[in-house]
Amino acid sequence: GAGVSQSPSNKVTEKGKDVELRCDPISGHTALYWYRQRLGQGLEFLIYFQGNSAPDKSGLPSDRFSAERTGESVSTLTIQRTQQEDSAVYLCASRKTRSSTDTQYFGPGTRLTVL
Amino acid sequence: AQSVAQPEDQVNVAEGNPLTVKCTYSVSGNPYLFWYVQYPNRGLQFLLKYITGDNLVKGSYGFEAEFNKSQTSFHLKKPSALVSDSALYFCAVRDDDKIIFGKGTRLHILP
Repeated sequence: GAGVSQSPSNKVTEKGKDVELRCDPISGHTALYWYRQRLGQGLEFLIYFQGNSAPDKSGLPSDRFSAERTGESVSTLTIQRTQQEDSAVYLCASRKTRSSTDTQYFGPGTRLTVL
Repeated sequence: AQSVAQPEDQVNVAEGNPLTVKCTYSVSGNPYLFWYVQYPNRGLQFLLKYITGDNLVKGSYGFEAEFNKSQTSFHLKKPSALVSDSALYFCAVRDDDKIIFGKGTRLHILP
């Protein structure tokens, strides 16, 4: 596809369950980002992948959050033992190179609701 | 660390009037600044960016932003607002390889 895609678009889960969110970046984009957007809030950086380098995990809020990316392809964000405060829209973005002058392209997001 | 501040949670403008959405920045070194827009139930879309060069940057949908180094500001502007401009607007700044976003300003264009 032409843009960043994310799945599922909506996820409702029960407190304590694990969830896995998927991001398909634009083909050829080496940089991939995950952000969290709580209701009425701005974007909170979570994690950044650049090629085969070690990811920048500085934004992950707790050890319940983890993410993987194989090469320059799909990424999955996993939240273990979900809590109600994890409810948010999780946005993925990709960028062609590591240069910050390149534009980040965002996916439509996954809306996570933890009951 | 680099940061941006958007002092207004919400801005209301009558259709046809000029609009301004404010952003100030705090950086060490040269600032790389961005504006993104988020329409309801849609992902963020890039509007424009300032890297270097002219202080007035033109972007998508008739928007422009003015980089002001002395005031450390990067306000988003449009000469004549449309109802369809109603959305959530984010100012952002480069922080190494990451982009850090402001909390957003909700723009309401009143018919």
